[in-house]
Amino acid sequence: AQKITQTQPGMFVQEKEAVTLDCTYDTSDPSYGLFWYKQPSSGEMIFLIYQGSYDQQNATEGRYSLNFQKARKSANLVISASQLGDSAMYFCAMREGNAGGTSYGKLTFGQGTILTVHP
Amino acid sequence: EAQVTQNPRYLITVTGKKLTVTCSQNMNHEYMSWYRQDPGLGLRQIYYSMNVEVTDKGDVPEGYKVSRKEKRNFPLILESPSPNQTSLYFCASSLYSNAYNSPLHFGNGTRLTVT
Repeated sequence: AQKITQTQPGMFVQEKEAVTLDCTYDTSDPSYGLFWYKQPSSGEMIFLIYQGSYDQQNATEGRYSLNFQKARKSANLVISASQLGDSAMYFCAMREGNAGGTSYGKLTFGQGTILTVHP
Repeated sequence: EAQVTQNPRYLITVTGKKLTVTCSQNMNHEYMSWYRQDPGLGLRQIYYSMNVEVTDKGDVPEGYKVSRKEKRNFPLILESPSPNQTSLYFCASSLYSNAYNSPLHFGNGTRLTVT
Protein backbone atom coordinates (compact mmCIF):
# COMPACT_ATOMS: atom_id res chain seq x y z
CA ALA A 1 0.00 0.00 0.00
CA GLN A 2 1.12 3.53 -0.74
CA LYS A 3 2.42 5.24 2.34
CA ILE A 4 1.86 8.73 0.96
CA THR A 5 -0.90 9.53 -1.50
CA GLN A 6 -1.31 12.77 -3.37
CA THR A 7 -4.43 12.43 -5.50
CA GLN A 8 -4.13 15.70 -7.43
CA PRO A 9 -1.63 15.40 -10.28
CA GLY A 10 -2.19 19.05 -11.15
CA MET A 11 -3.85 22.09 -9.61
CA PHE A 12 -4.56 25.58 -10.91
CA VAL A 13 -5.08 28.69 -8.82
CA GLN A 14 -5.52 32.37 -9.50
CA GLU A 15 -2.88 34.71 -8.15
CA LYS A 16 -3.70 36.01 -4.63
CA GLU A 17 -6.16 33.18 -3.96
CA ALA A 18 -5.65 30.32 -1.51
CA VAL A 19 -5.11 26.74 -2.61
CA THR A 20 -5.14 23.39 -0.79
CA LEU A 21 -2.95 20.49 -1.86
CA ASP A 22 -4.10 17.13 -0.56
CA CYS A 23 -2.03 14.47 1.14
CA THR A 24 -3.07 11.29 2.91
CA TYR A 25 -0.69 8.91 4.61
CA ASP A 26 -0.61 5.41 5.98
CA THR A 27 1.44 4.23 8.92
CA SER A 28 1.08 2.09 12.02
CA ASP A 29 3.95 3.89 13.73
CA PRO A 30 2.66 6.24 16.47
CA SER A 31 5.66 8.54 15.98
CA TYR A 32 6.03 10.17 12.60
CA GLY A 33 6.69 13.47 10.94
CA LEU A 34 4.98 14.89 7.88
CA PHE A 35 6.79 17.30 5.60
CA TRP A 36 6.03 19.35 2.52
CA TYR A 37 8.63 20.19 -0.08
CA LYS A 38 8.55 22.47 -3.11
CA GLN A 39 10.40 21.61 -6.32
CA PRO A 40 10.52 24.46 -8.82
CA SER A 41 11.32 23.82 -12.47
CA SER A 42 15.00 24.46 -11.70
CA GLY A 43 14.97 21.16 -9.82
CA GLU A 44 16.02 21.87 -6.24
CA MET A 45 14.00 20.49 -3.32
CA ILE A 46 12.97 23.13 -0.80
CA PHE A 47 11.66 22.25 2.66
CA LEU A 48 8.48 24.19 3.47
CA ILE A 49 6.78 22.97 6.61
CA TYR A 50 6.68 20.16 9.17
CA GLN A 51 4.00 18.56 11.35
CA GLY A 52 4.70 15.98 14.04
CA SER A 53 2.29 13.20 14.94
CA TYR A 54 2.02 14.42 18.52
CA ASP A 55 1.57 18.07 17.67
CA GLN A 56 -1.76 19.44 18.85
CA GLN A 57 -1.67 22.56 16.75
CA ASN A 58 -1.54 22.79 12.99
CA ALA A 59 1.83 23.99 11.73
CA THR A 60 2.15 27.36 10.05
CA GLU A 61 5.10 28.93 8.27
CA GLY A 62 4.40 32.28 6.66
CA ARG A 63 1.89 31.74 3.85
CA TYR A 64 2.03 27.97 4.33
CA SER A 65 -0.11 26.09 6.78
CA LEU A 66 -0.70 22.41 7.29
CA ASN A 67 -4.22 21.14 7.90
CA PHE A 68 -3.48 18.07 10.00
CA GLN A 69 -6.36 15.65 10.60
CA LYS A 70 -4.84 12.72 12.42
CA ALA A 71 -7.94 10.52 12.56
CA ARG A 72 -8.36 10.86 8.80
CA LYS A 73 -4.61 10.50 8.24
CA SER A 74 -4.46 13.62 6.14
CA ALA A 75 -1.95 16.46 6.08
CA ASN A 76 -3.05 18.97 3.49
CA LEU A 77 -0.92 21.97 2.59
CA VAL A 78 -2.68 25.30 2.37
CA ILE A 79 -0.97 28.14 0.52
CA SER A 80 -2.59 31.50 1.13
CA ALA A 81 -2.36 34.49 -1.21
CA SER A 82 -0.76 32.52 -4.05
CA GLN A 83 2.06 34.14 -5.99
CA LEU A 84 3.38 33.41 -9.46
CA GLY A 85 6.56 32.09 -7.84
CA ASP A 86 4.53 29.38 -6.11
CA SER A 87 4.19 27.54 -9.43
CA ALA A 88 6.10 24.32 -8.84
CA MET A 89 5.79 20.64 -7.98
CA TYR A 90 4.83 20.01 -4.34
CA PHE A 91 5.66 16.83 -2.48
CA CYS A 92 4.22 15.49 0.72
CA ALA A 93 6.59 13.20 2.63
CA MET A 94 6.70 11.20 5.85
CA ARG A 95 9.44 10.11 8.20
CA GLU A 96 8.55 7.32 10.60
CA GLY A 97 10.01 6.84 14.05
CA ASN A 98 10.75 3.13 13.71
CA ALA A 99 10.63 2.73 9.94
CA GLY A 100 9.87 -0.95 10.45
CA GLY A 101 13.54 -1.62 11.05
CA THR A 102 14.47 -0.89 7.44
CA SER A 103 15.93 2.21 5.80
CA TYR A 104 16.09 4.00 9.07
CA GLY A 105 15.22 7.66 8.85
CA LYS A 106 13.98 7.38 5.29
CA LEU A 107 11.75 10.10 3.94
CA THR A 108 8.93 8.52 1.93
CA PHE A 109 7.50 10.78 -0.75
CA GLY A 110 4.17 11.03 -2.52
CA GLN A 111 4.01 11.37 -6.29
CA GLY A 112 3.64 15.12 -6.15
CA THR A 113 1.17 17.78 -7.29
CA ILE A 114 2.04 20.33 -9.96
CA LEU A 115 0.68 23.72 -8.96
CA THR A 116 0.21 26.40 -11.59
CA VAL A 117 -0.55 29.94 -10.49
CA HIS A 118 -2.32 32.08 -13.10
CA PRO A 119 -1.95 35.89 -13.14
CA GLU B 1 25.11 29.98 4.86
CA ALA B 2 23.82 26.60 6.05
CA GLN B 3 23.58 24.30 3.08
CA VAL B 4 24.06 20.97 1.40
CA THR B 5 26.40 21.26 -1.57
CA GLN B 6 26.44 18.74 -4.39
CA ASN B 7 28.80 18.68 -7.32
CA PRO B 8 28.62 18.56 -10.22
CA ARG B 9 25.20 20.00 -11.06
CA TYR B 10 25.16 18.33 -14.47
CA LEU B 11 27.14 15.34 -15.67
CA ILE B 12 27.14 13.45 -18.94
CA THR B 13 29.23 10.31 -19.07
CA VAL B 14 29.56 7.02 -20.91
CA THR B 15 28.73 3.51 -19.79
CA GLY B 16 31.36 1.99 -17.55
CA LYS B 17 33.33 5.12 -16.71
CA LYS B 18 33.58 5.43 -12.93
CA LEU B 19 32.29 8.65 -11.44
CA THR B 20 31.80 10.30 -8.07
CA VAL B 21 29.17 12.82 -7.08
CA THR B 22 30.29 14.78 -4.07
CA CYS B 23 28.07 15.94 -1.22
CA SER B 24 29.04 18.15 1.66
CA GLN B 25 27.03 19.79 4.45
CA ASN B 26 28.15 22.54 6.81
CA MET B 27 25.45 22.09 9.48
CA ASN B 28 27.10 19.35 11.55
CA HIS B 29 24.27 17.02 10.60
CA GLU B 30 24.37 13.45 11.81
CA TYR B 31 22.26 11.89 9.08
CA MET B 32 22.96 11.96 5.35
CA SER B 33 21.25 10.23 2.49
CA TRP B 34 21.15 9.90 -1.28
CA TYR B 35 17.98 9.82 -3.38
CA ARG B 36 17.28 9.47 -7.04
CA GLN B 37 14.27 10.97 -8.76
CA ASP B 38 12.78 9.42 -11.89
CA PRO B 39 9.57 10.22 -13.79
CA GLY B 40 6.79 7.90 -12.74
CA LEU B 41 8.88 6.37 -9.95
CA GLY B 42 9.25 9.42 -7.73
CA LEU B 43 12.03 9.81 -5.19
CA ARG B 44 13.74 6.67 -3.94
CA GLN B 45 16.43 6.32 -1.31
CA ILE B 46 19.72 4.83 -2.48
CA TYR B 47 21.90 4.82 0.65
CA TYR B 48 21.95 6.53 3.98
CA SER B 49 24.37 7.17 6.80
CA MET B 50 23.51 7.63 10.45
CA ASN B 51 26.96 8.86 11.39
CA VAL B 52 30.64 8.63 10.49
CA GLU B 53 31.54 5.15 9.26
CA VAL B 54 27.90 4.01 9.55
CA THR B 55 26.17 3.48 6.21
CA ASP B 56 23.35 1.26 5.03
CA LYS B 57 21.38 0.43 1.92
CA GLY B 58 18.17 2.16 0.99
CA ASP B 59 15.58 0.94 -1.47
CA VAL B 60 17.67 0.99 -4.66
CA PRO B 61 21.36 0.50 -3.74
CA GLU B 62 22.43 -1.69 -6.71
CA GLY B 63 25.20 -0.11 -8.75
CA TYR B 64 26.10 2.49 -6.12
CA LYS B 65 28.63 2.83 -3.34
CA VAL B 66 28.99 5.40 -0.58
CA SER B 67 31.39 6.23 2.20
CA ARG B 68 31.26 8.46 5.28
CA LYS B 69 34.79 9.06 6.48
CA GLU B 70 34.02 12.54 7.76
CA LYS B 71 30.80 13.88 9.19
CA ARG B 72 30.39 16.58 6.55
CA ASN B 73 30.99 14.51 3.40
CA PHE B 74 28.97 11.71 1.84
CA PRO B 75 30.08 10.97 -1.74
CA LEU B 76 28.09 8.77 -4.11
CA ILE B 77 30.20 6.50 -6.29
CA LEU B 78 29.09 4.79 -9.49
CA GLU B 79 31.80 2.22 -10.23
CA SER B 80 30.45 1.24 -13.65
CA PRO B 81 27.57 3.50 -14.64
CA SER B 82 24.86 2.18 -16.92
CA PRO B 83 22.12 4.03 -18.85
CA ASN B 84 19.48 2.99 -16.29
CA GLN B 85 21.31 5.17 -13.77
CA THR B 86 20.44 8.27 -15.77
CA SER B 87 18.51 10.27 -13.21
CA LEU B 88 18.31 13.33 -10.99
CA TYR B 89 20.25 12.68 -7.79
CA PHE B 90 19.80 14.43 -4.47
CA CYS B 91 21.93 14.41 -1.39
CA ALA B 92 20.09 15.27 1.83
CA SER B 93 20.98 15.67 5.48
CA SER B 94 19.24 16.11 8.81
CA LEU B 95 20.45 17.12 12.23
CA TYR B 96 19.52 13.88 13.95
CA SER B 97 19.45 10.31 12.75
CA ASN B 98 16.96 9.00 15.25
CA ALA B 99 14.40 11.79 15.13
CA TYR B 100 11.34 11.45 12.92
CA ASN B 101 10.74 15.18 13.38
CA SER B 102 14.06 16.24 11.90
CA PRO B 103 13.53 17.61 8.39
CA LEU B 104 15.85 16.60 5.58
CA HIS B 105 17.59 19.43 3.79
CA PHE B 106 18.44 18.77 0.18
CA GLY B 107 21.25 19.76 -2.11
CA ASN B 108 20.45 21.34 -5.47
CA GLY B 109 20.60 18.04 -7.30
CA THR B 110 22.88 16.42 -9.87
CA ARG B 111 21.43 15.63 -13.26
CA LEU B 112 23.30 12.59 -14.53
CA THR B 113 23.10 11.23 -18.07
CA VAL B 114 24.80 7.94 -18.92
CA THR B 115 25.06 7.18 -22.65
